[in-house]
Amino acid sequence: AQSVTQLDSQVPVFEEAPVELRCNYSSSVSVYLFWYVQYPNQGLQLLLKYLSGSTLVKGINGFEAEFNKSQTSFHLRKPSVHISDTAEYFCAVSEGSGNTPLVFGKGTRLSVIA
Amino acid sequence: EAGVAQSPRYKIIEKRQSVAFWCNPISGHATLYWYQQILGQGPKLLIQFQNNGVVDDSQLPKDRFSAERLKGVDSTLKIQPAKLEDSAVYLCASSLDQGSYNEQFFGPGTRLTVL
Repeated sequence: AQSVTQLDSQVPVFEEAPVELRCNYSSSVSVYLFWYVQYPNQGLQLLLKYLSGSTLVKGINGFEAEFNKSQTSFHLRKPSVHISDTAEYFCAVSEGSGNTPLVFGKGTRLSVIA
Repeated sequence: EAGVAQSPRYKIIEKRQSVAFWCNPISGHATLYWYQQILGQGPKLLIQFQNNGVVDDSQLPKDRFSAERLKGVDSTLKIQPAKLEDSAVYLCASSLDQGSYNEQFFGPGTRLTVL
């Protein structure tokens, strides 16, 4: 069975500082990896995904993530955050085929401080 | 293109009452998912449909939860009777059924409070 661990439940960071949100996964099969963002009272929006190929993945809003198979990690990074990045971020995994459901981590609350 | 629609957005009920949520997926999306998101946790799959058939309902508490997608388009999720621990956001998502990867698109969710 797949599982996702988000190591930090809350991450406070000052505006324009860099940030890294950590994600580790476990799976016995090849997987697809995702980061979603959830703003208050809204649904989930896909930030970026890793399906195959280059291990460095770029997404929307200046975010990027790196897939590390040996460390089973998929950490999310942004070099300079804005107030508008304040939100809940979820790492998710699915088996690498077809329409398999997503298995989510518990989320990391990113708070950007002015 | 219209997104996934859900209603109602908010619902407050007393425990032991029943409640129903509605989801309209993106047009042409054959696969539909219902997820439950309890406060402080990530979403958890309740049930997955492909057209009007159930693909996975292994995590659906079938003694109180039921879901249907009779015509392979809209879906309804029902809870009867509700318990306090059912307080959560219920998210609906849909995806196409083509190729090896199909992005899931999420609706805004229904926030249920059971008192």
